[in-house]
Amino acid sequence: EPEVTQTPSHQVTQMGQEVILRCVPISNHLYFYWYRQILGQKVEFLVSFYNNEISEKSEIFDDQFSVERPDGSNFTLKIRSTKLEDSAMYFCASSEKGLTGELFFGEGSRLTVL
Amino acid sequence: AQSVSQHNHHVILSEAASLELGCNYSYGGTVNLFWYVQYPGQHLQLLLKYFSGDPLVKGIKGFEAEFIKSKFSFNLRKPSVQWSDTAEYFCAVTGLSGGSYIPTFGRGTSLIVHP
Repeated sequence: EPEVTQTPSHQVTQMGQEVILRCVPISNHLYFYWYRQILGQKVEFLVSFYNNEISEKSEIFDDQFSVERPDGSNFTLKIRSTKLEDSAMYFCASSEKGLTGELFFGEGSRLTVL
Repeated sequence: AQSVSQHNHHVILSEAASLELGCNYSYGGTVNLFWYVQYPGQHLQLLLKYFSGDPLVKGIKGFEAEFIKSKFSFNLRKPSVQWSDTAEYFCAVTGLSGGSYIPTFGRGTSLIVHP
């Protein structure tokens, strides 16, 4: 069964450093998403991506964040100058159709900022 | 914009007990509703979904959920849980007709089933 893969599974970084989280969506999917979950809180939407551009983003997704699909298979989330409050589980998801809400998730990347 | 509330944050049951996890959403228009499950060490996966039609939907592993429009609820049920149902359960909603097609999730309910 095709699946979404994410790397790394866990990353520890110092405050102020840049982090890149990588995702390989399911190959025939066209819509890509990043969510995050701070420990004990809701799963929060960050950004969606379609046709090589951001289609929707939340208030959380400020200038500190960027997404890219550099080579047609990877979908990356870059966090510049990380802060303590960026510590969270980051989930990548993809979907074949954009309007159904049915997403396929990766296992998540746990980011710890010290 | 839509929002989701899951009132049970932690649930502990013994095997064979019945389960009901609450989910309420706020959005006045048409919605699609979902329950996702995350087993320990695994990814979030779809348990069941409601788009339209019969408000009682059945998913995998014996789970079902009932959409009650008047109560803005989509509670998840299972008549007899198993130890393997230990997981995190997330309710999600997309709002159609002017809402966001991006799923909005609740904070999740951690279910522990003791053998």
